[in-house]
Amino acid sequence: AQSVTQLGSHVSVSEGALVLLRCNYSSSVPPYLFWYVQYPNQGLQLLLKYTSAATLVKGINGFEAEFKKSETSFHLTKPSAHMSDAAEYFCAVSDRGDTGRRALTFGSGTRLQVQP
Amino acid sequence: SAVISQKPSRDICQRGTSLTIQCQVDSQVTMMFWYRQQPGQSLTLIATANQGSEATYESGFVIDKFPISRPNLTFSTLTVSNMSPEDSSIYLCSVAGQGLTEAFFGQGTRLTVV
Repeated sequence: AQSVTQLGSHVSVSEGALVLLRCNYSSSVPPYLFWYVQYPNQGLQLLLKYTSAATLVKGINGFEAEFKKSETSFHLTKPSAHMSDAAEYFCAVSDRGDTGRRALTFGSGTRLQVQP
Repeated sequence: SAVISQKPSRDICQRGTSLTIQCQVDSQVTMMFWYRQQPGQSLTLIATANQGSEATYESGFVIDKFPISRPNLTFSTLTVSNMSPEDSSIYLCSVAGQGLTEAFFGQGTRLTVV
């Protein structure tokens, strides 16, 4: 069974500081991995995804994530936080369809606050 | 990418009643999913809806409570039946992208049961 663990339900950074949101996964097969962002009262927007190409994945809004198989991690980073980055971030995993399950399994989410 | 429209965007309902949420996609998709996001929590998969077959429900969710229709490749409905305050959540429709390498989400339906 797949699972995702996001360390830290709340992360607070200063504007301009490094953003690091942690995600570890557990999967019986090489997974697809995703980061989604959810702004207040909105749906989910895909930030980036890993599908077994380059291990360093660049996404929208200056975010990137690195897939580390040895650490079973897919941490999300951004060099310099902006006030508009304040939102809820979800890490998600899916298998490659080998088991027939194609829905996503989500982590518990991390709320990012950006202080001026 | 796929554009997903959900209706209604929000509703306040009386306990004991039912609400049907509609999900319309701008392209034909094989797999559609319904998720629930309870207040302050993550998303939990309710069921997978494939056209031409019965929906597949996850543990803890049953068809009598959450009946789903999937009449064609661009449309699905989720009904929340006999609602109680514990059903107050955001309900999201999702579709798998081409190659099943990503998922797209609707804006969600924010349901409050009073």
